[in-house]
Amino acid sequence: QSVLTQPSSVSAAPGQQVTISCSGSSSNIGNNLVSWYQQLPGTAPKLLIYDNNKRPSGIPDRFSGSKSGTSATLGITGLQTGDEADYYCGTWDSSLSAVVFGGGTKLTVL
Amino acid sequence: EVQLVESGGGLVKPGGSLRVSCAASGFTFSGYTMNWVRQAPGKGLEWVSSISSSSSYIYYADSMKGRFAVSRDNAKNSLFLLMNSLRTEDTAVYYCARGPTPVIEDYFDYWGRGILVTVSS
Repeated sequence: QSVLTQPSSVSAAPGQQVTISCSGSSSNIGNNLVSWYQQLPGTAPKLLIYDNNKRPSGIPDRFSGSKSGTSATLGITGLQTGDEADYYCGTWDSSLSAVVFGGGTKLTVL
Repeated sequence: EVQLVESGGGLVKPGGSLRVSCAASGFTFSGYTMNWVRQAPGKGLEWVSSISSSSSYIYYADSMKGRFAVSRDNAKNSLFLLMNSLRTEDTAVYYCARGPTPVIEDYFDYWGRGILVTVSS
């Protein structure tokens, strides 16, 4: 049981857009910054979004992040088959004094 | 180019010990927090431990406290994780990941490819 809650799977057609939610509490998302990671099949996770909505160099602006209260959202526009991956949210939990992750969301581009 | 390369994984019996290492290159290792994150087969990411740039601050996930010990050698650009009293549920790919600053942060900007640790009799 993950501290952060994500849908197990989402799907959309190529060219469409999708959002992935991440729900937490005041001890984590509510008072800390959120990051998002993409894990392509058989590879290591890759940082997509940090500090709620910032993109590292090299990450296309098709990927965006937002936060409101105790929830965060990853948005992906102009879906490509290469976006098929598992996506994880993460943040610091002040009560646990630990980094916590969501359970992951598998994105299928139909 | 930032590179993180894990080594030292393998098969170990329950109750045994194992030390995994991470060799860093392409950046000033002593200027960054380092971390371990694991992923059990077919499961999600689980944070294991973080160590600040000067080793002044160290954090562990509750399930690893007392069993795992993280350390680093800034002179050798290396990160270590000593795992004792291993359990079957510790079977996972262990990733070395860099934090973006010298102090403990909540995200990781570069990851190694990971090393598999299997705990089985």
